[in-house]
Amino acid sequence: SQKIEQNSEALNIQEGKTATLTCNYTNYSPAYLQWYRQDPGRGPVFLLLIRENEKEKRKERLKVTFDTTLKQSLFHITASQPADSATYLCALEDQTGANNLFFGTGTRLTVIP
Amino acid sequence: GAGVSQSPSNKVTEKGKDVELRCDPISGHTALYWYRQSLGQGLEFLIYFQGNSAPDKSGLPSDRFSAERTGGSVSTLTIQRTQQEDSAVYLCASSLGLAGVSDTQYFGPGTRLTVL
Repeated sequence: SQKIEQNSEALNIQEGKTATLTCNYTNYSPAYLQWYRQDPGRGPVFLLLIRENEKEKRKERLKVTFDTTLKQSLFHITASQPADSATYLCALEDQTGANNLFFGTGTRLTVIP
Repeated sequence: GAGVSQSPSNKVTEKGKDVELRCDPISGHTALYWYRQSLGQGLEFLIYFQGNSAPDKSGLPSDRFSAERTGGSVSTLTIQRTQQEDSAVYLCASSLGLAGVSDTQYFGPGTRLTVL
């Protein structure tokens, strides 16, 4: 069966440290993978997209890696801040499917001051 | 508009009643998506529109769920004879709908549906 798993439901880290979130997938062949941020009571907001032929993508303090052999994406937030506290969702589009995205259950990140 | 809007923001209904949820996508976005997010769960894909047609209805959980889109813009998701397990946040997203290109989705704030 198809699965998208994010490493932990919740992650607490100290301000200034690097947060690393994991997304693993099974029985998908994604053309690309996306990461979204979701704050309570709001819809997800797009952060980064990485294609299957890209190993790494960066945007300011964010870095995403994509390993199609391991079927895994890592999402890093460096120099984390309390404002980074939110739920982070990975999503992928299966090459065999339509444009709809398949989402993981998310990791709730809390950055402690 | 500036973003995707959804109405109502909250809906409380009694079991067995029908509900209609509305989504106004970003102007010019041809693709529109409906998702459901239950407490502590990930987003569950329901249906996808390209223009007014729905090439993928595979996610609709039962025949009580239907959706339409008119004029390539506004979409309504209708749930008939609501059940308590339908309680969730219903999220709408839109995108440019460009074929063969990775397409960022822009989400609305969602409609929180509570079935008593």
